[in-house]
Amino acid sequence: ETGVTQTPRHLVMGMTNKKSLKCEQHLGHNAMYWYKQSAKKPLELMFVYSLEERVENNSVPSRFSPECPNSSHLFLHLHTLQPEDSALYLCASSQDRGSQEQYFGPGTRLTVT
Amino acid sequence: GDSVTQMEGPVTLSEEAFLTINCTYTATGYPSLFWYVQYPGEGLQLLLKATKADDKGSNKGFEATYRKETTSFHLEKGSVQVSDSAVYFCALSPSRAGGTSYGKLTFGQGTILTVHP
Repeated sequence: ETGVTQTPRHLVMGMTNKKSLKCEQHLGHNAMYWYKQSAKKPLELMFVYSLEERVENNSVPSRFSPECPNSSHLFLHLHTLQPEDSALYLCASSQDRGSQEQYFGPGTRLTVT
Repeated sequence: GDSVTQMEGPVTLSEEAFLTINCTYTATGYPSLFWYVQYPGEGLQLLLKATKADDKGSNKGFEATYRKETTSFHLEKGSVQVSDSAVYFCALSPSRAGGTSYGKLTFGQGTILTVHP
């Protein structure tokens, strides 16, 4: 595969569940990002990883926990979410943190019931 | 802080009509400006970009000119097609003078475009 892939594409979970979103990039990039896309709101940057180190956390609640085991993989671990967390979660990567061009995955559509 | 404002949608056009989606921004220094497109069921794709004042970005028949004096980066296409139906996002990234924010994208809220045959 090429580009940025995300799994699963759709996820429905209850508020007491624990699940994980996965992102993989095949571009040899060093920076990876998680964004939240809600209806009628601008994309919200959640986390930034550069060379596997978290370099930015935009006041995201602790029920979202990112993990970057290597430069190609990024996870978002979810637990005790709220219905307002339902959204499209997008992963992106760039050559490095200072690169202005980001490549996005197709997203995971999350519904919290 | 930095911000991007796009015209409210949705925008509905007939095939071959002229398209304009307005975008204005607020930022210090000289940011780079981008248009991203999101087709149904897909992630965002970079459509075009401009990195300095008076630059014109272009791709797939779309154009946008970086206007420093009006802090704008309006997207235009002379003749839209049904396949152009998507959500369009204007975004900016600070200049290197922006310090640690360099490379960080700030997005507008998106404009839904629907093109009918």
